[in-house]
Amino acid sequence: DAMVIQNPRYQVTQFGKPVTLSCSQTLNHNVMYWYQQKSSQAPKLLFHYYDKDFNNEADTPDNFQSRRPNTSFCFLDIRSPGLGDAAMYLCAIQGDFTDTQYFGPGTRLTVL
Amino acid sequence: GNSVTQMEGPVTLSEEAFLTINCTYTATGYPSLFWYVQYPGEGLQLLLKATKADDKGSNKGFEATYRKETTSFHLEKGSVQVSDSAVYFCALSDREGSNYKLTFGKGTLLTVNP
Repeated sequence: DAMVIQNPRYQVTQFGKPVTLSCSQTLNHNVMYWYQQKSSQAPKLLFHYYDKDFNNEADTPDNFQSRRPNTSFCFLDIRSPGLGDAAMYLCAIQGDFTDTQYFGPGTRLTVL
Repeated sequence: GNSVTQMEGPVTLSEEAFLTINCTYTATGYPSLFWYVQYPGEGLQLLLKATKADDKGSNKGFEATYRKETTSFHLEKGSVQVSDSAVYFCALSDREGSNYKLTFGKGTLLTVNP
């Protein structure tokens, strides 16, 4: 069974129109991550949560925000998507006593 | 800082050929090492990991050994299949504050032809 679920798998939005991507997990792990992956590149960490503590990477644009209303769910909000934000967005979880990250299937975002 | 360098692709092999994808790392601490695989249009799947020197990770016929003396974690498979066609990422995980941060290589695209 999937540990990390991402919805939707494909999302199309218009330039400048806010969009929200969703991630949920079935294991109640404390740590959740959001990555951006552009074509033919490695994933790039945007931010992570340790429980409710939010940790932003220094180079993550202000256009990207996140919410974690409870342990199971985490959302990525893109306030004003630009063409350069078209990418695969990956959510990952990490167990409490391990350094292994497990990834969801990703959401492919298209910006028109 | 930490870094991972892996063999640039693309790599094209015939079915049943031997596979090696080289990976070397630079780290200040004692990281765990990983190989992730990404099939087209999918997320990353953990393929194997090793947590300390001389550990061998293995899964689905793939193997990699954590070599501290050469700072390497090369991925090998004795006989590849068409279904192994994917992008392979080498990564290291090192503690940073309250969490572990993954540093990825650039990825290697493998294509296996029948």
